[in-house]
Amino acid sequence: TQLLEQSPQFLSIQEGENLTVYCNSSSVFSSLQWYRQEPGEGPVLLVTVVTGGEVKKLKRLTFQFGDARKDSSLHITAAQPGDTGLYLCAGEEAFYAGGTSYGKLTFGQGTILTVHP
Amino acid sequence: EAGVVQSPRYKIIEKKQPVAFWCNPISGHNTLYWYLQNLGQGPELLIRYENEEAVDDSQLPKDRFSAERLKGVDSTLKIQPAELGDSAVYLCASSFNAYSGGNTGELFFGEGSRLTVL
Repeated sequence: TQLLEQSPQFLSIQEGENLTVYCNSSSVFSSLQWYRQEPGEGPVLLVTVVTGGEVKKLKRLTFQFGDARKDSSLHITAAQPGDTGLYLCAGEEAFYAGGTSYGKLTFGQGTILTVHP
Repeated sequence: EAGVVQSPRYKIIEKKQPVAFWCNPISGHNTLYWYLQNLGQGPELLIRYENEEAVDDSQLPKDRFSAERLKGVDSTLKIQPAELGDSAVYLCASSFNAYSGGNTGELFFGEGSRLTVL
């Protein structure tokens, strides 16, 4: 099972600042997902990246998948208080059970982002 | 369309007592997951079902934890007896996997069941 290291673990910034969250592993992912979780709720998918070097944008959020598919980053421009939450990356690897191949997601430990007004 | 439904939302019990959590996934989703999440941490997989078959239960502490998904729809996770260290949020998620071997699709999570063991 892959280990996913997210950094930083905590991030406290002022509204309007930019930030980047990193997700790293020594292993290669077949795909990587980013989720955002608010207190008292379950995680919600933001994006899935599949191809090495891929860049996806979601409004003020930019996601990048490393060329070697071992790492990913999430960049937020002009953060807003509504961006506050726990950001989770989840890497996918092949998993075999009963002769059948499945994709298995392993989550990082998360980055707790707080954006102050 | 209703999302993943979990109950109860909160449960407080004394150690050594049993507890059960219930999950109803999104209609048509063949894959169901139970995760454990500690405060401020990422979810850790306990068990994964493909329809009614548990295909990955390697991280489930089988001495005290059990789960079932008898008809391939809703699922129950049980802890007996509960220990202090079991205090956490238990998340259920579901997804639709059209075929084996492909990339995992989006996981849809419930709101979780927060367990406090005293």
